[in-house]
Amino acid sequence: DIQMTQSPSSLSASVGDRVTITCRADQIIRNYLSWYQQKPGKAPRLLIYAAFTLQTGVPSRFSGGGSGTEYTLSISSLQPEDFATYYCQQTYSPPYTFGQGTNLDI
Amino acid sequence: EVQLVESGGGLVQPGGSLRLSCAASGFTFSSSWMYWVRQTPGKGLLWVSRINTDGDTTNYADSVKGRFTVSRDNAKNTLYLQMDSLRAEDTAVYYCTKRGYTGESEYWGQGTLVTVSS
Repeated sequence: DIQMTQSPSSLSASVGDRVTITCRADQIIRNYLSWYQQKPGKAPRLLIYAAFTLQTGVPSRFSGGGSGTEYTLSISSLQPEDFATYYCQQTYSPPYTFGQGTNLDI
Repeated sequence: EVQLVESGGGLVQPGGSLRLSCAASGFTFSSSWMYWVRQTPGKGLLWVSRINTDGDTTNYADSVKGRFTVSRDNAKNTLYLQMDSLRAEDTAVYYCTKRGYTGESEYWGQGTLVTVSS
């Protein structure tokens, strides 16, 4: 199975900050990397797929980057509604493993 | 509008069985690969299984292989997860998801809680 490691596991920031979350795979995943946002009591929401592609309806302050084994999710100017938990997932090879999550709080 | 509605969760004793259902609408179900993903309370996400459009290709996480079976009824637009030999560590919210362009979970249901306890 492909192991996914996210960092940091938690992050404190303020409204207006720019933040970056990193996800590393233990083998090359050829941009088959997705990012999700989850708020308490809710199902995860797809933000980005194929490493860079923004899902319809997702604000442009979210962006994805990276290649090979290392990928990033950046939020350019944090808004109050962005404080949540973020997960990465590889869809290169099943089982489609997730990272352990990054809790972004104020 | 895409809708995925899970049902069938509940309390079951260790070693018992449960079948989850996911009713799909708002898209062509018979043309979509489907997944099950679970989340342990307060913890992270685990991709559980996937099934192709015809139902003849399936994959599972190692932790559930041989105990869980995913299936579908395209005539009823419904996805299933048969869970046997349940363990305490299977306690989780189970989500039904629709595959996106590159394998991601594009749409999610609201989830159904499975609790395995004596």
